[in-house]
Amino acid sequence: QKEVEQNSGPLSVPEGAIASLNCTYSDRVSQSFFWYRQYSGKSPELIMSIYSNGDKEDGRFTAQLNKASQYVSLLIRDSQPSDSATYLCAVNQDNYGQNFVFGPGTRLSVLP
Amino acid sequence: DAGITQSPRYKITETGRQVTLMCHQTWSHSYMFWYRQDLGHGLRLIYYSAAADITDKGEVPDGYVVSRSKTENFPLTLESATRSQTSVYFCASSDSDSTEAFFGQGTRLTVV
Repeated sequence: QKEVEQNSGPLSVPEGAIASLNCTYSDRVSQSFFWYRQYSGKSPELIMSIYSNGDKEDGRFTAQLNKASQYVSLLIRDSQPSDSATYLCAVNQDNYGQNFVFGPGTRLSVLP
Repeated sequence: DAGITQSPRYKITETGRQVTLMCHQTWSHSYMFWYRQDLGHGLRLIYYSAAADITDKGEVPDGYVVSRSKTENFPLTLESATRSQTSVYFCASSDSDSTEAFFGQGTRLTVV
């Protein structure tokens, strides 16, 4: 089983700051990458998907992908207390089907 | 309602009993997945299905059985529940290759 790793938490940032969440993966052939947010006691919900090298922006969220370095990150600008959650990085490791492997998650706390 | 639903939401069962967790999706997604989520382990894949009548093992399949006679349903059965199977179980579905997975609300299972 190939691995997906995330920066250990918890990560605390003040309201209005930029939160940076990092993820590395071991399977070089992976082509699809996802960030999920999971509130305590709830199910994961998709925030961003990214498939190509570079940046992808959606509102306050920016996903960055570097396949050569096997690295994907999520930046949250103007962090809000409502962003406090666990963020899961997911990698689809099967280019001929679906094989999502999830990282352990990084818990983010945004302090008012 | 459209989406993916799991039942029951909460279940307490005794060691040795058989229990079935239900998952139903209305999107006609090809892929369906069962994950368990435990502290310290993140989301781990139990079984997945690429289509009706096609299932395959994931990372932690022992003690579980699945079936998929219809595209929309993917039940997970614990043949003889053990305390180590106490967990939160998530069902997910996905459309074609490389697209994101959508999660159900989860089932919290306690084996006593």
